[in-house]
Amino acid sequence: GDSVTQMEGPVTLSEEAFLTINCTYTATGYPSLFWYVQYPGEGLQLLLKATKADDKGSNKGFEATYRKETTSFHLEKGSVQVSDSAVYFCALESNNNDMRFGAGTRLTVKP
Amino acid sequence: GAGVSQSPRYKVAKRGQDVALRCDPISGHVSLFWYQQALGQGPEFLTYFQNEAQLDKSGLPSDRFFAERPEGSVSTLKIQRTQQEDSAVYLCASSKNRDRGLYNEQFFGPGTRLTVL
Repeated sequence: GDSVTQMEGPVTLSEEAFLTINCTYTATGYPSLFWYVQYPGEGLQLLLKATKADDKGSNKGFEATYRKETTSFHLEKGSVQVSDSAVYFCALESNNNDMRFGAGTRLTVKP
Repeated sequence: GAGVSQSPRYKVAKRGQDVALRCDPISGHVSLFWYQQALGQGPEFLTYFQNEAQLDKSGLPSDRFFAERPEGSVSTLKIQRTQQEDSAVYLCASSKNRDRGLYNEQFFGPGTRLTVL
């Protein structure tokens, strides 16, 4: 079945460092891809999404590009802040509308 | 409130007890989802409601799990005769529209952490 594999954490970075969290997927058909973020003590929030190949989702300085040829949707940010510390989940919504989440990657940004 | 709320936030149960977890979706949202999130894992789909109709319960792990949404608003997830493997965070999400489609963002609650001793 459809699935998502994302980079294991935890990831610890210094403020202003460059962030990449890798995500690859396996799916039949043409899924939509998402990144969700979970801040401490809060629920999951949609960070960005892309619905077709070569689309780039972006929000709050984060970006991810839907790469069909490499079945990837890596999350990037050029300069992280302490407030970006959270758990990040890659997810896909398959053609039958099932949501599949990755295991999550915990990011800690130190001042 | 403006968001999805869940109660209780934490629940400890002895093995064999029944538990009931509540979800208050965003007012007016048609669709409601339940997910189970084991420690260190991503959420896994349990069940989906459109208004009061349970359209998909394929993710419920056993017949001990039961969900309802009788008036198309508040939903309750009930787990009978809890087992240790039921320990997880149970997440509720709601979305505005009928379709489970691409442009129908799901808004998540903070979850209920269930610990079965």
